[in-house]
Amino acid sequence: GNSVTQMEGPVTLSEEAFLTINCTYTATGYPSLFWYVQYPGEGLQLLLKATKADDKGSNKGFEATYRKETTSFHLEKGSVQVSDSAVYFCAPSLDTGRRALTFGSGTRLQVQP
Amino acid sequence: DGGITQSPKYLFRKEGQNVTLSCEQNLNHDAMYWYRQDPGQGLRLIYYSQIVNDFQKGDIAEGYSVSREKKESFPLTVTSAQKNPTAFYLCASRVGMNTEAFFGQGTRLTVV
Repeated sequence: GNSVTQMEGPVTLSEEAFLTINCTYTATGYPSLFWYVQYPGEGLQLLLKATKADDKGSNKGFEATYRKETTSFHLEKGSVQVSDSAVYFCAPSLDTGRRALTFGSGTRLQVQP
Repeated sequence: DGGITQSPKYLFRKEGQNVTLSCEQNLNHDAMYWYRQDPGQGLRLIYYSQIVNDFQKGDIAEGYSVSREKKESFPLTVTSAQKNPTAFYLCASRVGMNTEAFFGQGTRLTVV
């Protein structure tokens, strides 16, 4: 069946380091793809999205490209800041029956000064 | 500003009590969802509603109930049948399959 696999955390980086969080999925079609961010004690906020193959979503220095061939949507940022410390969720739109997003397990990022 | 409002932010429940979590949206979205989040884990779908006056069970509906009498409101009741209700509850709404879901700020429920 359809599923999403996200890189396990926590990921600990120093400020200004390069970030990659891997996300792959299995699907019968070409779902829309989303990354969400969750700060402590808060709800989820949309970080970026891509709706078709080769689209690149970007926001606040984060980027992710819709790779149809590898069914992946890896999140990257060239230079992380302490304020980027949060939990990141990959969420492809796999559940066509319920029209619900399918969430990965989340990756906690800790950025040290 | 449009958005989703959950209340209360913190809720304490005694053993054997039912409690109701509020979720209101002014985005004019048809679909609404309730998720449960446990520490260090992802989101699990409790109930969803694709249109007013209709709702369906998600993956972990046992011990929960919902109603959808108005388009903008989707309250969740945690009943005494839910044996482990302590968790963070998130409400979301969405327009369609290719659009993002919008989330409320969450309600943290604790059994005391």
